[in-house]
Amino acid sequence: AQSVTQPDIHITVSEGASLELRCNYSYGATPYLFWYVQSPGQGLQLLLKYFSGDTLVQGIKGFEAEFKRSQSSFNLRKPSVHWSDAAEYFCAVVTTGRRALTFGSGTRLQVQP
Amino acid sequence: DTEVTQTPKHLVMGMTNKKSLKCEQHMGHRAMYWYKQKAKKPPELMFVYSYEKLSINESVPSRFSPECPNSSLLNLHLHALQPEDSALYLCASSGNTEAFFGQGTRLTVV
Repeated sequence: AQSVTQPDIHITVSEGASLELRCNYSYGATPYLFWYVQSPGQGLQLLLKYFSGDTLVQGIKGFEAEFKRSQSSFNLRKPSVHWSDAAEYFCAVVTTGRRALTFGSGTRLQVQP
Repeated sequence: DTEVTQTPKHLVMGMTNKKSLKCEQHMGHRAMYWYKQKAKKPPELMFVYSYEKLSINESVPSRFSPECPNSSLLNLHLHALQPEDSALYLCASSGNTEAFFGQGTRLTVV
């Protein structure tokens, strides 16, 4: 079945530490890939996107993601986390057959001082 | 202007009420979406409009009725809702690439 999976429900990191959030997809062809961030009770903000080309994608707020076709993954990274990064992070896909976002289950990031 | 504006921000309604949620964008996007998000869950697609025509209805109950009066506006008409319909309702729009989201309407059905 086609799906997008975020294996980690909740991650806690210390401020200043590095971060990696995992995302795997299961589709016949490579979908368009996105990472969104959501603060409590708010809408979603796009961090970055991958359509094709360079597999390392830079986004806003110091985030980057790497597309690995062999692993069907699109993991989000940040070298040094700030307290303001605490939020819910969603990986999402769009396929050519369905022009709407399908979201993973999300990863809640907690940042310790 | 990369903003999607949703009104109202909060809405409390009784099960016999009729209310509407509104969404507006001025980015020239021709696709607009309604998503429903329950607490601690990802957004779930409800409806997609493409060029002002309904293109996807994810088997949403008829007590939710979408409307796209023009390319900039998207409404969601609500009637005879149930308490389990309480959620954050998100509107989004997109051109050929990414989707932009509004801040949502927090709906409580009492």
